[in-house]
Amino acid sequence: DTAVSQTPKYLVTQMGNDKSIKCEQNLGHDTMYWYKQDSKKFLKIMFSYNNKELIINETVPNRFSPKSPDKAHLNLHINSLELGDSAVYFCASSQALAGGTSSYNEQFFGPGTRLTVL
Amino acid sequence: DQQVKQNSPSLSVQEGRISILNCDYTNSMFDYFLWYKKYPAEGPTFLISISSIKDKNEDGRFTVFLNKSAKHLSLHIVPSQPGDSAVYFCAASEDDSWGKLQFGAGTQVVVTP
Repeated sequence: DTAVSQTPKYLVTQMGNDKSIKCEQNLGHDTMYWYKQDSKKFLKIMFSYNNKELIINETVPNRFSPKSPDKAHLNLHINSLELGDSAVYFCASSQALAGGTSSYNEQFFGPGTRLTVL
Repeated sequence: DQQVKQNSPSLSVQEGRISILNCDYTNSMFDYFLWYKKYPAEGPTFLISISSIKDKNEDGRFTVFLNKSAKHLSLHIVPSQPGDSAVYFCAASEDDSWGKLQFGAGTQVVVTP
């Protein structure tokens, strides 16, 4: 039973294309995240949604647009792909609450999507 | 601006011995700290956490120590097993942050027989 799943696992595409990565969680969590792991292996948060509402939006080019059709899904759309977008993208979920007990911050990660832009 | 730092990119330890992974942070507002373990081609999995009101948390072979005055935490694995070979990430968050985690760069642990 996969808790957090992402599709596709690998994505190879040309510069300038538009692509999407899908994420689904079956944990009943209210909060979902997108992280980018760059070539230096740093995991950096990009976005977070709580109950379909955007709550964290880091400094990310506006070519990246998250979409949450329901609280179990958070998809990532990337327009006009650039070489520097090549990375592994991880989706995660948690019961994180603002001002809530920090233990809710434990996040469950998907397997990652390796995006290669040629 | 990396607020969480893991200065040792790799660690090699013999099976049965203790593995000690270190993590330093700069943000005094962090109040919750987590360790994640990651195997190749998989997402990070939660390992153990500690709240800033504690200085130690233990779970089986894993113990996390927190020294708030030094802004330092460490993860001890005793005894180390071959299955512990993975990348270990330290992460931290502030309360009221909606779970926004700041990650270190990770430490690759190799446990040799």
